[in-house]
Order: sequence, then C-alpha cells, then structure tokens
Amino acid sequence: EVLLVESGGGLVQPGGSLRLSCAASGFTFSNYAMHWVRQAPGKGLEFVSAINSNGGSTYYANSVKGRFTISRDNSKNTLYLQMGSLRAEDMAVYYCARDLGYCSSTSCYSYFDHWGQGTLVTVSS
Amino acid sequence: EIVLTQSPGTLSLSPGERATLSCRASQSVSSSYLAWYQQKPGQAPRLLIYGVSSRATGIPDRFSGSGSGTDFTLTISRLEPEDFAVYYCQQYGSSPYTFGQGTKLEIK
Repeated sequence: EVLLVESGGGLVQPGGSLRLSCAASGFTFSNYAMHWVRQAPGKGLEFVSAINSNGGSTYYANSVKGRFTISRDNSKNTLYLQMGSLRAEDMAVYYCARDLGYCSSTSCYSYFDHWGQGTLVTVSS
Repeated sequence: EIVLTQSPGTLSLSPGERATLSCRASQSVSSSYLAWYQQKPGQAPRLLIYGVSSRATGIPDRFSGSGSGTDFTLTISRLEPEDFAVYYCQQYGSSPYTFGQGTKLEIK
C-alpha cells in the first residue's frame, strides 16, 4: 500500500522557519517526482514546489521562490520542504503528493495519484 | 498561468440524481492534460479522472470526464451518498499546473 506521511507542521511566528518531512512507503520512492501542494483554510489547492526523481531538478511557485527549499533523501524515502521567512499567507495545510506525470528540465506536467494526510502550518504572532 | 474557473460554486442535488460539473480554462489546455479530484472534509484530495476522461484506479464508472480545449465536464451519472464532497479540476499541460477553485456538491 502506498503511504505518504507528512510531519513537521506547527505554529511559527512571521519571519520564522519550519521544516516539513514526508515519509514514503509502499512504492519505489526514487522512481517518482514528488510535490508539495498547499491549501489555505477554506481555500483551494496551490502548487508550492516539486523535485524530480533523483533530486537533480527543483521547481518552485513564484510566491515561495527564494524562501522555500525542497529536497529529498532517496535512501530514507523521505521528501523535505525547508520553509523560511514565513508569512501569514503561507498558512495552510501542506500535502506531499506523488507525481504520475513527468518533470522536464524546466517544468512539471504533473497530476497526483497519492497524497499524504497533510500537515498544518500556522503563521501567527 | 492558466486560470481554471469551476461552476457552479455549489450544486445541491439528491442521491440518485445526475451531477454535471464544469471547468473552464482561460486558455486551451495542452494535450488534454486535465484531471479531476474529489476532496471530503479533513481528507486529502483523491484522483478521479486524468487525461480528461481516463478513470483512476478504483474509481467507479458512474464518474466520467469529457471536454477539450477550454471546456471540460465531470459527470456523476447517479449520485451515491458518499459522492457529496468538493471537486477540483486541475490542468497540467502548462507550467505551473493550476487548480480550479472547486465545486461543492451538497445534499439537497
């Protein structure tokens, strides 16, 4: 069974940092690009960041570029999102998701067959 | 980026009825790269349809997708109680991929 389990969310002050993790099991993690997608309270879904299967290419939404860093450790079957300079508008549930599409050197053409349960990031003083 | 507009915002129907949900793109979606997801409260999205009309694994055949270019439709032929949820369309033919704002399907 494919399982994605996020952790690391919580309350952080504006300007603070947080590191999210997504532990994967039930499939060959190193074969898939992975994504972070977020959902603000009561809102829709938004692309945050993606990484290709070997970690050699990364992609970011303009809203988080320069503040967030995606990475992965294929030996540990784990995806990460390092978030810095957090703002109120970053408050959301963050999901990791498995990519069934593909990522080129510059762009991702991705849809998602498995999602984690999400981890809530609250940005507030 | 491509903006997806879903309509209606809320759809009130009864079990057994047919549901038709619309997704309109601000520009043509390349290669028919359009997907639909279902999301229930407190849960992650669930993939229903990809490539406009292909059902994902385990999705019942009462769910069907259609459309091309800028206009797409998700049809649920006969609503079951478990189908009442929020539905999102997503285009992945243009980077960055984008989602619609959702249609809430509620019990009448």
